[in-house]
Amino acid sequence: DAGVIQSPRHEVTEMGQEVTLRCKPISGHNSLFWYRQTMMRGLELLIYFNNNVPIDDSGMPEDRFSAKMPNASFSTLKIQPSEPRDSAVYFCASSLEWDRQSRQPQHFGDGTRLSIL
Amino acid sequence: SQQGEEDPQALSIQEGENATMNCSYKTSINNLQWYRQNSGRGLVHLILIRSNEREKHSGRLRVTLDTSKKSSSLLITASRAADTASYFCATVDSNSGYALNFGKGTSLLVTP
Repeated sequence: DAGVIQSPRHEVTEMGQEVTLRCKPISGHNSLFWYRQTMMRGLELLIYFNNNVPIDDSGMPEDRFSAKMPNASFSTLKIQPSEPRDSAVYFCASSLEWDRQSRQPQHFGDGTRLSIL
Repeated sequence: SQQGEEDPQALSIQEGENATMNCSYKTSINNLQWYRQNSGRGLVHLILIRSNEREKHSGRLRVTLDTSKKSSSLLITASRAADTASYFCATVDSNSGYALNFGKGTSLLVTP
């Protein structure tokens, strides 16, 4: 079975450029999460979608960040304009039926390593 | 926001030895999960323990949960070089939102 697929795996770009990260969740999963991982702050949840609808975007750092989920099989995380402090590994994860009582694990992609010069 | 805090930050053992990692958290929880992350890869779910459970086993993994102390431990028995990875505990706060809050992890090195 295909897992969560993220692209690109690596992205190096200059500050001020627009960056778009892509995610294909596992088929049938109705919950999707974007995380950011840095040495200083660890793993942080950026946004959570349920049935393609953004439920919690309180982790999105600022207006330069936006995320969309136009259908159940695709999501994007966009940074515009990018800044050096956005450099991190960005993970997408999906899950079945995620809620507060959930006993379903989250399945992670292998991440996009983003470097903003 | 971070919820779980793992201890130790780094652990180095030899193959065949047991590895114990601890996790502390701050608020009430519905369940606690442990994940593994190999270098350059995403996180992989290992085991989930519910708030009304005290101990759970899965293969060479043993997880305990003490809700009175707000702590959990992960024991890996008879470790192998392939167990080398970072291990994270994660909780879903039963009062607040949907975030799976991760600690900063324990980096485990198992040498042959």
